[in-house]
Amino acid sequence: EAQVTQNPRYLITVTGKKLTVTCSQNMNHEYMSWYRQDPGLGLRQIYYSMNVEATDKGDVPEGYKVSRKEKRNFPLILESPSPNQTSLYFCASSLTRTGGRGGTQYFGPGTRLLVL
Amino acid sequence: DQQVKQNSPSLSVQEGRISILNCDYTNSMFDYFLWYKKYPAEGPTFLISISSIKDKNEDGRFTVFLNKSAKHLSLHIVPSQPGDSAVYFCAASGFSGNTPLVFGKGTRLSVIA
Repeated sequence: EAQVTQNPRYLITVTGKKLTVTCSQNMNHEYMSWYRQDPGLGLRQIYYSMNVEATDKGDVPEGYKVSRKEKRNFPLILESPSPNQTSLYFCASSLTRTGGRGGTQYFGPGTRLLVL
Repeated sequence: DQQVKQNSPSLSVQEGRISILNCDYTNSMFDYFLWYKKYPAEGPTFLISISSIKDKNEDGRFTVFLNKSAKHLSLHIVPSQPGDSAVYFCAASGFSGNTPLVFGKGTRLSVIA
Protein backbone atom coordinates (compact mmCIF):
# COMPACT_ATOMS: atom_id res chain seq x y z
CA GLU A 1 0.00 0.00 0.00
CA ALA A 2 1.34 3.42 -1.01
CA GLN A 3 1.70 5.53 2.08
CA VAL A 4 3.55 8.09 4.14
CA THR A 5 4.21 7.06 7.71
CA GLN A 6 5.17 9.21 10.67
CA ASN A 7 6.32 8.32 14.16
CA PRO A 8 5.46 8.99 16.85
CA ARG A 9 1.82 9.98 16.40
CA TYR A 10 1.68 11.72 19.76
CA LEU A 11 4.50 13.18 21.81
CA ILE A 12 4.70 15.16 25.03
CA THR A 13 8.08 16.59 25.90
CA VAL A 14 9.71 19.36 27.91
CA THR A 15 11.44 22.51 26.77
CA GLY A 16 14.98 21.91 25.55
CA LYS A 17 14.85 18.14 25.19
CA LYS A 18 15.91 17.20 21.67
CA LEU A 19 13.44 15.12 19.67
CA THR A 20 13.11 13.60 16.22
CA VAL A 21 9.94 12.85 14.29
CA THR A 22 10.49 10.27 11.59
CA CYS A 23 8.85 10.25 8.16
CA SER A 24 9.04 7.56 5.53
CA GLN A 25 7.38 7.10 2.12
CA ASN A 26 7.24 4.00 -0.09
CA MET A 27 6.25 5.66 -3.37
CA ASN A 28 9.77 6.53 -4.59
CA HIS A 29 8.86 10.20 -4.50
CA GLU A 30 11.57 12.79 -5.13
CA TYR A 31 9.98 15.58 -3.14
CA MET A 32 9.25 15.53 0.58
CA SER A 33 8.22 18.26 2.97
CA TRP A 34 7.17 19.03 6.53
CA TYR A 35 4.21 21.19 7.52
CA ARG A 36 2.79 22.37 10.77
CA GLN A 37 -0.90 23.04 11.24
CA ASP A 38 -2.07 25.59 13.79
CA PRO A 39 -5.58 26.94 14.42
CA GLY A 40 -6.40 29.80 12.07
CA LEU A 41 -3.08 29.49 10.25
CA GLY A 42 -3.67 26.46 8.04
CA LEU A 43 -0.74 24.44 6.75
CA ARG A 44 2.62 26.15 6.84
CA GLN A 45 5.68 24.58 5.27
CA ILE A 46 8.70 24.13 7.54
CA TYR A 47 11.29 22.50 5.27
CA TYR A 48 11.31 20.64 2.01
CA SER A 49 13.65 18.36 0.11
CA MET A 50 13.91 18.07 -3.66
CA ASN A 51 15.98 14.88 -3.45
CA VAL A 52 18.64 13.12 -1.40
CA GLU A 53 21.02 15.60 0.25
CA ALA A 54 18.97 18.53 -1.09
CA THR A 55 16.95 20.38 1.55
CA ASP A 56 15.71 23.94 1.80
CA LYS A 57 13.75 26.20 4.13
CA GLY A 58 10.04 26.66 3.84
CA ASP A 59 7.97 29.43 5.37
CA VAL A 60 8.61 28.71 9.07
CA PRO A 61 12.00 26.94 9.46
CA GLU A 62 13.18 28.53 12.72
CA GLY A 63 13.86 25.98 15.43
CA TYR A 64 13.81 22.98 13.11
CA LYS A 65 16.34 20.86 11.22
CA VAL A 66 15.90 18.16 8.62
CA SER A 67 18.04 15.67 6.76
CA ARG A 68 17.58 13.57 3.64
CA LYS A 69 20.18 10.84 3.55
CA GLU A 70 17.91 8.33 1.84
CA LYS A 71 15.16 8.94 -0.67
CA ARG A 72 12.42 7.38 1.43
CA ASN A 73 13.19 9.07 4.79
CA PHE A 74 12.91 12.70 5.85
CA PRO A 75 13.17 13.16 9.64
CA LEU A 76 12.28 16.40 11.38
CA ILE A 77 14.56 17.37 14.24
CA LEU A 78 13.83 19.81 17.05
CA GLU A 79 17.18 20.43 18.72
CA SER A 80 15.76 22.47 21.60
CA PRO A 81 11.96 22.42 21.53
CA SER A 82 10.03 25.37 22.92
CA PRO A 83 6.32 25.70 23.81
CA ASN A 84 5.62 27.68 20.61
CA GLN A 85 6.46 24.52 18.68
CA THR A 86 3.45 22.79 20.15
CA SER A 87 1.54 21.93 17.02
CA LEU A 88 0.28 19.24 14.66
CA TYR A 89 2.97 18.19 12.21
CA PHE A 90 2.53 16.57 8.81
CA CYS A 91 5.05 15.01 6.51
CA ALA A 92 4.18 14.89 2.81
CA SER A 93 5.69 13.55 -0.40
CA SER A 94 5.13 13.97 -4.14
CA LEU A 95 6.75 12.97 -7.40
CA THR A 96 7.77 16.55 -8.15
CA ARG A 97 7.74 19.87 -6.42
CA THR A 98 5.55 21.82 -8.77
CA GLY A 99 2.59 21.70 -11.07
CA GLY A 100 0.33 19.03 -12.43
CA ARG A 101 -0.48 15.65 -11.00
CA GLY A 102 3.18 15.04 -10.18
CA GLY A 103 3.02 17.81 -7.65
CA THR A 104 0.06 16.29 -5.79
CA GLN A 105 1.24 15.75 -2.26
CA TYR A 106 0.42 12.71 -0.14
CA PHE A 107 0.33 13.31 3.57
CA GLY A 108 1.21 11.23 6.58
CA PRO A 109 -1.27 10.83 9.46
CA GLY A 110 0.26 13.61 11.55
CA THR A 111 2.22 13.93 14.78
CA ARG A 112 0.69 15.89 17.62
CA LEU A 113 3.44 17.48 19.70
CA LEU A 114 3.06 19.16 23.07
CA VAL A 115 6.06 21.00 24.49
CA LEU A 116 5.74 21.86 28.18
CA ASP B 1 1.43 37.84 1.62
CA GLN B 2 -1.19 35.13 1.38
CA GLN B 3 -1.19 33.76 -2.15
CA VAL B 4 -4.12 31.38 -1.63
CA LYS B 5 -7.05 32.64 0.39
CA GLN B 6 -10.04 30.85 1.82
CA ASN B 7 -12.03 33.67 3.35
CA SER B 8 -14.66 31.53 5.07
CA PRO B 9 -13.23 29.71 8.09
CA SER B 10 -16.40 27.67 8.45
CA LEU B 11 -19.57 26.67 6.63
CA SER B 12 -22.70 24.82 7.76
CA VAL B 13 -24.98 23.09 5.27
CA GLN B 14 -28.05 20.91 5.59
CA GLU B 15 -27.68 17.29 4.47
CA GLY B 16 -28.77 16.88 0.85
CA ARG B 17 -28.13 20.51 -0.07
CA ILE B 18 -25.21 21.93 -2.03
CA SER B 19 -21.97 22.94 -0.29
CA ILE B 20 -19.92 25.62 -2.01
CA LEU B 21 -16.40 26.28 -0.78
CA ASN B 22 -14.52 29.22 -2.25
CA CYS B 23 -10.88 29.98 -2.83
CA ASP B 24 -9.07 33.00 -4.30
CA TYR B 25 -5.47 33.23 -5.44
CA THR B 26 -3.17 36.08 -6.31
CA ASN B 27 -0.20 34.49 -8.12
CA SER B 28 -0.75 34.42 -11.87
CA MET B 29 1.95 31.71 -12.17
CA PHE B 30 -0.38 29.14 -10.60
CA ASP B 31 -1.69 26.73 -13.21
CA TYR B 32 -2.80 23.71 -11.20
CA PHE B 33 -5.28 23.74 -8.36
CA LEU B 34 -6.18 21.11 -5.83
CA TRP B 35 -8.61 20.52 -3.00
CA TYR B 36 -7.66 18.45 0.01
CA LYS B 37 -9.97 17.12 2.67
CA LYS B 38 -8.91 16.62 6.26
CA TYR B 39 -10.66 14.69 9.02
CA PRO B 40 -9.62 15.11 12.67
CA ALA B 41 -6.63 12.97 13.65
CA GLU B 42 -5.79 12.23 10.01
CA GLY B 43 -3.54 13.78 7.38
CA PRO B 44 -5.03 15.77 4.50
CA THR B 45 -6.08 13.60 1.56
CA PHE B 46 -6.25 14.66 -2.06
CA LEU B 47 -9.82 15.17 -3.24
CA ILE B 48 -9.94 16.72 -6.69
CA SER B 49 -7.82 18.92 -8.93
CA ILE B 50 -8.09 21.10 -12.01
CA SER B 51 -5.60 22.32 -14.56
CA SER B 52 -5.73 25.90 -15.77
CA ILE B 53 -6.59 24.73 -19.28
CA LYS B 54 -10.01 23.67 -17.96
CA ASP B 55 -12.76 25.57 -16.21
CA LYS B 56 -14.54 22.59 -14.67
CA ASN B 57 -13.69 19.14 -13.39
CA GLU B 58 -16.14 16.62 -11.95
CA ASP B 59 -15.65 13.54 -9.83
CA GLY B 60 -18.87 12.05 -8.55
CA ARG B 61 -20.49 14.47 -6.11
CA PHE B 62 -17.52 16.83 -6.27
CA THR B 63 -17.04 19.51 -8.91
CA VAL B 64 -14.34 22.14 -9.03
CA PHE B 65 -14.84 25.31 -11.05
CA LEU B 66 -12.03 27.61 -12.09
CA ASN B 67 -12.43 31.24 -13.15
CA LYS B 68 -8.97 32.31 -14.27
CA SER B 69 -9.88 35.91 -15.02
CA ALA B 70 -11.20 36.34 -11.46
CA LYS B 71 -8.44 34.14 -9.97
CA HIS B 72 -11.15 32.23 -8.19
CA LEU B 73 -12.02 28.58 -7.77
CA SER B 74 -14.80 26.83 -5.97
CA LEU B 75 -15.62 23.32 -4.84
CA HIS B 76 -19.22 22.17 -5.10
CA ILE B 77 -20.46 19.13 -3.20
CA VAL B 78 -23.87 17.87 -4.29
CA PRO B 79 -25.63 16.40 -2.43
CA SER B 80 -23.83 17.07 0.84
CA GLN B 81 -23.59 14.19 3.29
CA PRO B 82 -22.70 14.13 7.00
CA GLY B 83 -19.49 12.24 6.12
CA ASP B 84 -18.37 15.29 4.15
CA SER B 85 -17.92 17.20 7.41
CA ALA B 86 -14.21 18.00 7.44
CA VAL B 87 -11.72 20.80 6.87
CA TYR B 88 -11.14 21.53 3.18
CA PHE B 89 -7.89 23.05 1.99
CA CYS B 90 -7.46 24.75 -1.34
CA ALA B 91 -3.95 24.55 -2.84
CA ALA B 92 -2.24 25.87 -5.95
CA SER B 93 1.03 25.29 -7.79
CA GLY B 94 2.59 26.03 -11.14
CA PHE B 95 5.08 24.59 -13.60
CA SER B 96 5.87 28.07 -14.79
CA GLY B 97 8.41 29.83 -12.62
CA ASN B 98 8.89 26.68 -10.58
CA THR B 99 6.03 27.63 -8.28
CA PRO B 100 5.64 25.13 -5.42
CA LEU B 101 2.40 24.03 -3.82
CA VAL B 102 0.80 26.70 -1.61
CA PHE B 103 -2.13 26.00 0.72
CA GLY B 104 -5.00 28.14 1.91
CA LYS B 105 -5.93 28.22 5.61
CA GLY B 106 -8.85 25.87 5.21
CA THR B 107 -12.63 25.94 5.57
CA ARG B 108 -14.38 23.76 8.12
CA LEU B 109 -17.53 22.25 6.58
CA SER B 110 -20.26 20.93 8.83
CA VAL B 111 -23.05 18.97 7.17
CA ILE B 112 -26.05 18.79 9.47
CA ALA B 113 -28.34 15.78 9.29
